[in-house]
Amino acid sequence: NAGVTQTPKFRILKIGQSMTLQCAQDMNHNYMYWYRQDPGMGLKLIYYSVGAGITDKGEVPNGYNVSRSTTEDFPLRLELAAPSQTSVYFCASSYSNSRETQYFGPGTRLLVL
Amino acid sequence: QKEVEQNSGPLSVPEGAIASLNCTYSDRVSQSFFWYRQYSGKSPELIMSIYSNGDKEDGRFTAQLNKASQYVSLLIRDSQPSDSATYLCAVKPPGGATNKLIFGTGTLLAVQP
Repeated sequence: NAGVTQTPKFRILKIGQSMTLQCAQDMNHNYMYWYRQDPGMGLKLIYYSVGAGITDKGEVPNGYNVSRSTTEDFPLRLELAAPSQTSVYFCASSYSNSRETQYFGPGTRLLVL
Repeated sequence: QKEVEQNSGPLSVPEGAIASLNCTYSDRVSQSFFWYRQYSGKSPELIMSIYSNGDKEDGRFTAQLNKASQYVSLLIRDSQPSDSATYLCAVKPPGGATNKLIFGTGTLLAVQP
């Protein structure tokens, strides 16, 4: 049981490049989330999904896209990377029970130059 | 007013002392509250969850919830240098079926040996 996994751990992008951050969970969780965390700031929700084929925007969705074709995987796509997207990205998942909390992956550190 | 507020710290306590971390939230009807610990460069990990007014104890950790005053706190007894980390308060807003959480910006705790 690996929990929530994320790849890559670290990536440097040039301005205007695109990339996909991978996230997978093996806990059969219906709900999955993407956050970004800037230094000294809390976690900001980018996108979330309540099941395969269902996604919705969070607090800071601009510049990102997601898809959820399977229960296990929830990739985050960055199009036309900008320096403002330099951050640490965390993927999380949870059961659908309302008292359940979220469990986080190890994070992806992204630097856009 | 921020939805979830925490003092950013750092909160410095000597080893063996009690560390008290506080969090206030703006939505009076929030029902679920969580404390996460985040070591530098790592992902958040769940420490405590609390849903009812009063205290909930787990080892050296005690979560306290006062819904009338809209605050939740975390007490760490017999603080150890290994407790040095950022502690994130998270609140689940009412309604919806997404298990979304709103995070505070975190309090940095430093336990001095």
